[in-house]
Amino acid sequence: KQEVTQIPAALSVPEGENLVLNCSFTDSAIYNLQWFRQDPGKGLTSLLLIQSSQREQTSGRLNASLDKSSGRSTLYIAASQPGDSATYLCAVSGAAGNKLTFGGGTRVLVKP
Amino acid sequence: DTGVSQDPRHKITKRGQNVTFRCDPISEHNRLYWYRQTLGQGPEFLTYFQNEAQLEKSRLLSDRFSAERPKGSFSTLEIQRTEQGDSAMYLCASSLNNEQYFGPGTRLTVT
Repeated sequence: KQEVTQIPAALSVPEGENLVLNCSFTDSAIYNLQWFRQDPGKGLTSLLLIQSSQREQTSGRLNASLDKSSGRSTLYIAASQPGDSATYLCAVSGAAGNKLTFGGGTRVLVKP
Repeated sequence: DTGVSQDPRHKITKRGQNVTFRCDPISEHNRLYWYRQTLGQGPEFLTYFQNEAQLEKSRLLSDRFSAERPKGSFSTLEIQRTEQGDSAMYLCASSLNNEQYFGPGTRLTVT
């Protein structure tokens, strides 16, 4: 059974510092990995999707890497801003179109 | 608006009542998913449809839960005889290829 872990559960950084968020999964036979952002009481916003054959994906200040063999992904957010404060969730899928298995999330606070 | 929509956004009900939630996916998306999220946790998978066929159901989906997608477009999730443990955010997502897009969720509170 796939298990996804995100450590730390919470993180506080001063504005301008780079953020590094970690995600690990127990079964390396994944199809893809998705990073999401969730604001309090809201739904999930997709940030990046990495196919299992890819090593990284970039969008603006966001960069996500994937090391499938070691069961790890890292989300980097450059030059953090207070607006980046949210919970970040990673999730993996075992096959095309299949369900996502989520980690517990990392709650991020960026202090002005 | 071309995103996933859910209705209602909030529902308060008394224990033992039945509730029904609706999800409208992004048009032309053939897959639709339901997840449940409790406070401080990541979402947990409940069930998913490809077109009108329900392809997988989680063990979390007890016999009090039923989901339908009758015409392969919108979907409904019904909970019968609600219990306090059913209090959670119910999230719907849709996809065409592999990336899932989520709606705003329905917050259920059972008193």
